Amino acid sequence: GESVGLHLPTLSVQEGDNSIINCAYSNSASDYFIWYKQESGKGPQFIIDIRSNMDKRQGQRVTVLLNKTVKHLSLQIAATQPGDSAVYFCAEKVNSGYSTLTFGKGTMLLVSP
Amino acid sequence: GAVVSQHPSRVICKSGTSVKIECRSLDFQATTMFWYRQFPKQSLMLMATSNEGSKATYEQGVEKDKFLINHASLTLSTLTVTSAHPEDSSFYICSAYGTSLGEQFFGPGTRLTVL
Repeated sequence: GESVGLHLPTLSVQEGDNSIINCAYSNSASDYFIWYKQESGKGPQFIIDIRSNMDKRQGQRVTVLLNKTVKHLSLQIAATQPGDSAVYFCAEKVNSGYSTLTFGKGTMLLVSP
Repeated sequence: GAVVSQHPSRVICKSGTSVKIECRSLDFQATTMFWYRQFPKQSLMLMATSNEGSKATYEQGVEKDKFLINHASLTLSTLTVTSAHPEDSSFYICSAYGTSLGEQFFGPGTRLTVL
């Protein structure tokens, strides 16, 4: 299930389940979005990105969905594995080139064997 | 792939001392580097943006005289936390933007603990 901690929402799933992590972004002018995975004590690792002219993009075991109408982004992880346990952040920027990234609050994903 | 390193990975210092953190792009040239700070269980907050050869642009609320940034070359940026205090204890992460690559790559972070 999903619970909201003091700072970081947590999603707990069983190995093999599909996981869905949600993100609400704030800037309607943002046109490029990225999902990052951050393991404890490490820097963010790029997972997948999507431009605003798309509403879905698929990678290996991951899918990102973008709903610009409600400014919502989701990351779907298929067949979640214990190695997927980490904090996941969405990030937005106004264009895909040089500009600053704004990070969302993050969701901790805990995968039980 | 593009690799960004940070040194040191961990540092413990006494209150009042200064600490320098290095960020290097190992296999690409970074015209722009970004410095973030991350407190436990929180998101990354952008502190400043630095362009090679020019002064850094600091985000609102970040003291430029306390967090000195030098981007002396296309592969190296340094962040110096001057007169560090316990409230500066945090995880500092840099990222480097490669014009030829068209995206940012993140370093592994530096854990700063100020006693």
